[in-house]
Amino acid sequence: LAKTTQPISMDSYEGQEVNITCSHNNIATNDYITWYQQFPSQGPRFIIQGYKTKVTNEVASLFIPADRKSSTLSLPRVSLSDTAVYYCLVGRLSGGYNKLIFGAGTRLAVHP
Amino acid sequence: GAVVSQHPSWVICKSGTSVKIECRSLDFQATTMFWYRQFPKQSLMLMATSNEGSKATYEQGVEKDKFLINHASLTLSTLTVTSAHPEDSSFYICSARGAPDRGYGDGNTIYFGEGSWLTVV
Repeated sequence: LAKTTQPISMDSYEGQEVNITCSHNNIATNDYITWYQQFPSQGPRFIIQGYKTKVTNEVASLFIPADRKSSTLSLPRVSLSDTAVYYCLVGRLSGGYNKLIFGAGTRLAVHP
Repeated sequence: GAVVSQHPSWVICKSGTSVKIECRSLDFQATTMFWYRQFPKQSLMLMATSNEGSKATYEQGVEKDKFLINHASLTLSTLTVTSAHPEDSSFYICSARGAPDRGYGDGNTIYFGEGSWLTVV
């Protein structure tokens, strides 16, 4: 299973764009990259998932370079409610691989 | 809305007793469910993987006789903490592998429940 490395914490201000980068040098060919958001005392919430290039949904964008050894979650115009822990997961649930392991996550603090 | 639901949200039990936590997939059948444990200010730790109709696969260091997992149906998995002790107090979170045929992910996405706080006194 590919190990992920993220910054421990980040600070931002309301209205700014936040980019959180995750390193996963040992990503396997069939691994997907998934980002989750977690608020205190709640289960993680799915944000976005990608395999390569760029993925965008209504809340975030995910940029994946060609070598796939890293990925960047981009949150446009953050608000105070985006203060949370963000986890980058790399793995797959097929072909005999059946689990996703969480790394340490990035604590994002959004300030007024 | 939530696609995976846990119950209870929080529970207090006496040391030595057993407590059961339920995890349900609400809108799809989940052949695979996962149980995680999380201590304050720490990341989630995978405890076991539960496949419907078969025995759960436990991660190294997790006592299978203490943390009993049952996945008897495609929408329900239960975690029973047996002979609970104060050190078992934690936030327990379940998740279910999404079902592409129901529009939930592509098979590589897991959806989490709200979590259950267990306090053993």
